[in-house]
Amino acid sequence: GENVEQHPSTLSVQEGDSAVIKCTYSDSASNYFPWYKQELGKRPQLIIDIRSNVGEKKDQRIAVTLNKTAKHFSLHITETQPEDSAVYFCAAGGGADGLTFGKGTHLIIQP
Amino acid sequence: SAVISQKPSRDICQRGTSLTIQCQVDSQVTMMFWYRQQPGQSLTLIATANQGSEATYESGFVIDKFPISRPNLTFSTLTVSNMSPEDSSIYLCSSAGQETQYFGPGTRLLVL
Repeated sequence: GENVEQHPSTLSVQEGDSAVIKCTYSDSASNYFPWYKQELGKRPQLIIDIRSNVGEKKDQRIAVTLNKTAKHFSLHITETQPEDSAVYFCAAGGGADGLTFGKGTHLIIQP
Repeated sequence: SAVISQKPSRDICQRGTSLTIQCQVDSQVTMMFWYRQQPGQSLTLIATANQGSEATYESGFVIDKFPISRPNLTFSTLTVSNMSPEDSSIYLCSSAGQETQYFGPGTRLLVL
């Protein structure tokens, strides 16, 4: 089955700086790669996703890149703000399959 | 995105008992899934809830422990059977029209 590795487990950045979270996956059949943000006590919220026919996608301060050859995808957050503090999960899957999640990254934005 | 609700939002149960969690989606969706999130951990897929047929379980999860129903395209239930303290977790349902999955608010379960 699919295996998703996520790094780092904790990331602390200064407000206004950029944050990058990286994930690798094992199953070359996976073709859908979403990112979720989870605040304490709340449900995971989809923030951006990318499909395997696209190399990069951007939505305001958030971008995701995908390297299918290397089985690697990354989340980039620019101009970080205090409200970006949360746990971020990457996931991989596709088609009718459920998602396999990474272990999560606790992002801390330092004022 | 679909609006997803779950009942109950939380419960405290005694070991050896069972709890059924309901998931309702406000529109017809192709796929529904059940996940578990243990305290401080990531999400783990339990099973795919198939409409009109038996659920498809992931490795480590069995129907006797987690029976699932999906009588129509907008509703599913997950039962946690013969509970033990190790079942204490958040149980989340999700729905997907194509591939994009959205999550319900979760059911926080504590087993004593």
